[in-house]
Amino acid sequence: SQQGEEDPQALSIQEGENATMNCSYKTSINNLQWYRQNSGRGLVHLILIRSNEREKHSGRLRVTLDTSKKSSSLLITASRAADTASYFCATAFSGNTPLVFGKGTRLSVIA
Amino acid sequence: DTAVSQTPKYLVTQMGNDKSIKCEQNLGHDTMYWYKQDSKKFLKIMFSYNNKELIINETVPNRFSPKSPDKAHLNLHINSLELGDSAVYFCASSHPGDTHEQYFGPGTRLTVT
Repeated sequence: SQQGEEDPQALSIQEGENATMNCSYKTSINNLQWYRQNSGRGLVHLILIRSNEREKHSGRLRVTLDTSKKSSSLLITASRAADTASYFCATAFSGNTPLVFGKGTRLSVIA
Repeated sequence: DTAVSQTPKYLVTQMGNDKSIKCEQNLGHDTMYWYKQDSKKFLKIMFSYNNKELIINETVPNRFSPKSPDKAHLNLHINSLELGDSAVYFCASSHPGDTHEQYFGPGTRLTVT
């Protein structure tokens, strides 16, 4: 069954604003990952956070993980039109199990 | 120097036909996957292969048969196509291990009419 649930399902912001997407999951995890999917393309890995980490940064991306609440958030600062895409969280139970993806958040950044 | 490639990109076929989708990765990864993304963008694992051996086979009709001739290739053959098979199919690969970051192909949009 589906593990992750992203919230909101869709988000529309102005260029320059920050975008925050949330992900909740159900069971214990080894790590949580965020992926981006541009329209008509494959998924691209953005950032990974391990279960023993609470926050991670990569460029304009900031990811937090709260294992007690089984939730994660992805913050994109100073958004650009090129950030328009669908964003998925994916959880991994261990190194030998497949990722379980959420339904995604569709982000639209308006120039 | 595409990392994970799939062919064809688009596939339109009629119900009852048999078709194949090919996937190749040049990343030297040991593990490859097939995912299905439905019209609502929900991405679900179908198969996982490690070093040419099947390790995950989710609840997928046996009309779907993956084949891995070598570590760099994982093809998907579908028999007796049905309307419900219409979706985008993604191949992915990764190193085994606890990080498990996956690299995705561009997808194959299958339309069954």
